[in-house]
Order: sequence, then C-alpha cells, then structure tokens
Amino acid sequence: EAGVAQSPRYKIIEKRQSVAFWCNPISGHATLYWYQQILGQGPKLLIQFQNNGVVDDSQLPKDRFSAERLKGVDSTLKIQPAKLEDSAVYLCASSPGFSLYEQYFGPGTRLTVT
Amino acid sequence: RKEVEQDPGPFNVPEGATVAFNCTYSNSASQSFFWYRQDCRKEPKLLMSVYSSGNEDGRFTAQLNRASQYISLLIRDSKLSDSATYLCVVNSYGNKLVFGAGTILRVKS
Repeated sequence: EAGVAQSPRYKIIEKRQSVAFWCNPISGHATLYWYQQILGQGPKLLIQFQNNGVVDDSQLPKDRFSAERLKGVDSTLKIQPAKLEDSAVYLCASSPGFSLYEQYFGPGTRLTVT
Repeated sequence: RKEVEQDPGPFNVPEGATVAFNCTYSNSASQSFFWYRQDCRKEPKLLMSVYSSGNEDGRFTAQLNRASQYISLLIRDSKLSDSATYLCVVNSYGNKLVFGAGTILRVKS
C-alpha cells in the first residue's frame, strides 16, 4: 500500500516569498492533516480536513497561510508571504477517520526561510 | 500550561536497560492516547495506543492514569535501535490530536 506522498522534500526561499506544498494521502483516507514541526518541538496541527471540508483550522495563521483539499483527495498548503519563523518541517498526515484512528505521516517538506 | 508535557531528556541508557517516560496532559475529557516514535529527520510513526487497562507490546508497556492525568511508556531490554524521540499524543477538544514535544532516548552500547 502506498504511503502519504509529499513534495517537494526540501525548499529554501527568502522571506516575503511564496511557497506551496503538495500532499497526496493514502487512498480512501477521508481525513487529512497538515502539521508544522519546528526543530525541538512536537508537530503542531495547522489544519484538518474531513473529505474536502475544514474540520479545524484554529491554529492556522490565516493572514499568510492557506490550504485547500479539492475533490477530497490531494491537498496544497501555501504560505504567502513567508517569514523567518516559518522555517520548519511541514508534515502531511492522513487517517481513515477522526482521532481514534492511527495517523499516517508523509516524509515532510523541510522549509528554510532566509 | 501546555496541553501535553513531556520531559525532553535526553535519556542516555546502556543496552539492556529499562527506561520509563512520563507524559502529563491537561484536558481531563481526553479519551484517546498514543505514543508515537520519531527517528531523526523522519516522520512520526505510531508505536502504540494507550488503553485504560494498560497494554503491552513486546518490550513496550503503556499505562494510563486518568486520576493524575498522566501516561507512561516503559521500555525493557533497550536496543540500540530504540534510539529515537518518543512523542506523547492526546486528543483534545474537537477530536484534535495534540503532540508533546517529545522525549529523546539514546541507547548506547
């Protein structure tokens, strides 16, 4: 079974530039999550989708971050404009349902903002 | 106060040692508890769920104490391959999972 796919794996941009990350969840998984993991910290949930609807985006900095999940499958996360403090690993995860189910993580995108 | 708190370590132990990690959580209504393992520069992976009665998987034992709102993970007969960061995960309001900052384990020969 194919796992969660993410691209790109690495990205270096200058502050104030824009960047987009892509995620393809495990086939059939209704729930998709985007997490931000800063070095030395645990993953922090940015946004959670159930099919193509947003379940929780309370920790998403909406002035600069946006995310969408068209057709309830793939998802993109965008940052515009980027700040130095956005340097982190952005992890996508999927699960068959809500929190009682195991979450399967992709390899992440390591973003460096200079 | 953070929703999920862990001792960051690192815990440096010799092979064959027994090591225990604790994790405390603030939401008394939490129902789901997990331990995830994260290797260096890799994604987190589920190690085990934590059940009210406690559960064991080989060398790993997880315990839940609802009254004191803490979870523990015990690793017996530590192997070099157990070296990783162990993340305590608890469901929060609205079925959101909250991750602790992780406890670093280093097993040395």
